[in-house]
Amino acid sequence: NAGVTQTPKFRVLKTGQSMTLLCAQDMNHEYMYWYRQDPGMGLRLIHYSVGEGTTAKGEVPDGYNVSRLKKQNFLLGLESAAPSQTSVYFCASSAKQGAGGTEAFFGQGTRLTVV
Amino acid sequence: RKEVEQDPGPFNVPEGATVAFNCTYSNSASQSFFWYRQDCRKEPKLLMSVYSSGNEDGRFTAQLNRASQYISLLIRDSKLSDSATYLCVVNERAGGTSYGKLTFGQGTILTVHP
Repeated sequence: NAGVTQTPKFRVLKTGQSMTLLCAQDMNHEYMYWYRQDPGMGLRLIHYSVGEGTTAKGEVPDGYNVSRLKKQNFLLGLESAAPSQTSVYFCASSAKQGAGGTEAFFGQGTRLTVV
Repeated sequence: RKEVEQDPGPFNVPEGATVAFNCTYSNSASQSFFWYRQDCRKEPKLLMSVYSSGNEDGRFTAQLNRASQYISLLIRDSKLSDSATYLCVVNERAGGTSYGKLTFGQGTILTVHP
């Protein structure tokens, strides 16, 4: 079972370069998320999506763009990478949540270094 | 103020100890709550959901106090394998009638030593 797959797993970028991180899930989940994790900061929400074609800003959206053209994919783009974007990026997905909430499943992370 | 705040830790306890983590959240409209566990350099994984009446899973007990906007996790009889970072997670209303914004606390590091 693939679950949530992130590509690439590692990347080194030069300042000013662009790249796209791909997240794919095969669980037919409605909701998808992109987080970044820095030492001592926990996971901070960058952008999220509650359905195909919809996206919303999270806590730290500046410098990132996202797209959810297909339900199973959620793309995170960096148009002009900066050293401050060096981080570990996690994608997650979950089923549509009612008041009870459901479990979020995470990809294995992408370790991005911007030099 | 951060939306979800946890005890900063780190906690360093001997095997067999009981340890408790606390978490507060600022959005009173939050509807569901979770504890996740994250091992070093790995992705977070669900430890347990937190229900209004409190719930227990083996050595783990979770409590919710909506009036105080407070969540707790109690680990009894700590094992070496419990060493990890514990993350408090809150599911908030994203807008309209849709819940979809999962917000994490900064995490609390637990080390259990022999």
